[in-house]
Amino acid sequence: DAKTTQPNSMESNEEEPVHLPCNHSTISGTDYIHWYRQLPSQGPEYVIHGLTSNVNNRMASLAIAEDRKSSTLILHRATLRDAAVYYCILRGGGDMRFGAGTRLTVKP
Amino acid sequence: DGGITQSPKYLFRKEGQNVTLSCEQNLNHDAMYWYRQDPGQGLRLIYYSQIVNDFQKGDIAEGYSVSREKKESFPLTVTSAQKNPTAFYLCASSRVGPLTGGAGNQPQHFGDGTRLSIL
Repeated sequence: DAKTTQPNSMESNEEEPVHLPCNHSTISGTDYIHWYRQLPSQGPEYVIHGLTSNVNNRMASLAIAEDRKSSTLILHRATLRDAAVYYCILRGGGDMRFGAGTRLTVKP
Repeated sequence: DGGITQSPKYLFRKEGQNVTLSCEQNLNHDAMYWYRQDPGQGLRLIYYSQIVNDFQKGDIAEGYSVSREKKESFPLTVTSAQKNPTAFYLCASSRVGPLTGGAGNQPQHFGDGTRLSIL
């Protein structure tokens, strides 16, 4: 399976937008880009996914580079409840593997 | 509400004992998964099942066993052969299995986990 690279941690101020980057230079043409987040002592929660076009839902937006080798999860206005570990995963013909993700800290 | 239920939330195992973690889903999903998470780490795949009566080993299957007799249930047994079982165990499901066409377009849904510790 192709792998992803994310920063270990990021900080944001409450009420400000957050851009969480993910690199996936070996992505295949059929791999979808998925994002999940995990709060302490809970299971991961699905956030958003996409293939080629940018995607929006009530939780976030996903911006996918034209060459698909990177993507960015955008939280438009961070709240304290958005503090979590965010995982960027590629899902194609095999199972899903989770890296260590990005730990997002939101400061009031 | 549809979802995944894992029980118990906390579990303690004595040396040499087998323990079974429960996972039930009412999402009518074909595929189910078990992951292990160690502190500060990502999730590692233990086993997955694409359909009833089928299951495949993941990356760290040694010391674990599973069964899939019903679509909605996928219990995980941590055997005495698993020498370092202390971890957070997560069950997940998806509409179709990872080897099915279109699988990449299906998100996974997770339970709230079982935390297993050694007495």
